[in-house]
Amino acid sequence: GQQVMQIPQYQHVQEGEDFTTYCNSSTTLSNIQWYKQRPGGHPVFLIQLVKSGEVKKQKRLTFQFGEAKKNSSLHITATQTTDVGTYFCAVFSGSARQLTFGSGTQLTVLP
Amino acid sequence: DAGVIQSPRHEVTEMGQEVTLRCKPISGHNSLFWYRQTMMRGLELLIYFNNNVPIDDSGMPEDRFSAKMPNASFSTLKIQPSEPRDSAVYFCASRFRVTGDGETQYFGPGTRLLVL
Repeated sequence: GQQVMQIPQYQHVQEGEDFTTYCNSSTTLSNIQWYKQRPGGHPVFLIQLVKSGEVKKQKRLTFQFGEAKKNSSLHITATQTTDVGTYFCAVFSGSARQLTFGSGTQLTVLP
Repeated sequence: DAGVIQSPRHEVTEMGQEVTLRCKPISGHNSLFWYRQTMMRGLELLIYFNNNVPIDDSGMPEDRFSAKMPNASFSTLKIQPSEPRDSAVYFCASRFRVTGDGETQYFGPGTRLLVL
């Protein structure tokens, strides 16, 4: 199935600093989804990107889809302790279009 | 809506025992997924159902694992016999799939399984 590489695996930032996680694919993606999982919680859908070069914002979060639709990024401006968790990208694969998740980026925000 | 419901939330058992995990998807959803999450392997898809029919169980680790979906509102994942390496968080997720991509998956709270 479709594979995505997600980096970095871990990121520690001081509260107020910015944070970015990246997903890369060797093949063109139809679309990509992003999920957030709080410590001890379950993955929660954040957003879906479909169009080449698409940029979407949710408050301090900015999501981008590459022009070639092979990569995507999630950027958080001025992190807060509430941003702590693991961020996953996910892509559709297989004939039944099931989601395949990236390995995730675990974000720690130091107060 | 109550969301995806899973039970039990925590399970501690001894090696060799049978474990049954339960899931109730969101009403009206026609696809159901079972995932396993560990530190080493991340979030792995085990099996999924469309309209109660298993579509792909290639992610099921071995014959000790089995899953059923007898109706649209209930699914089970069974491990028999359980082993310590089965210790993980097991998530159930559901979605309403029409055509193409783009459907959001909704995850349950998970079952934290510890096999001693």
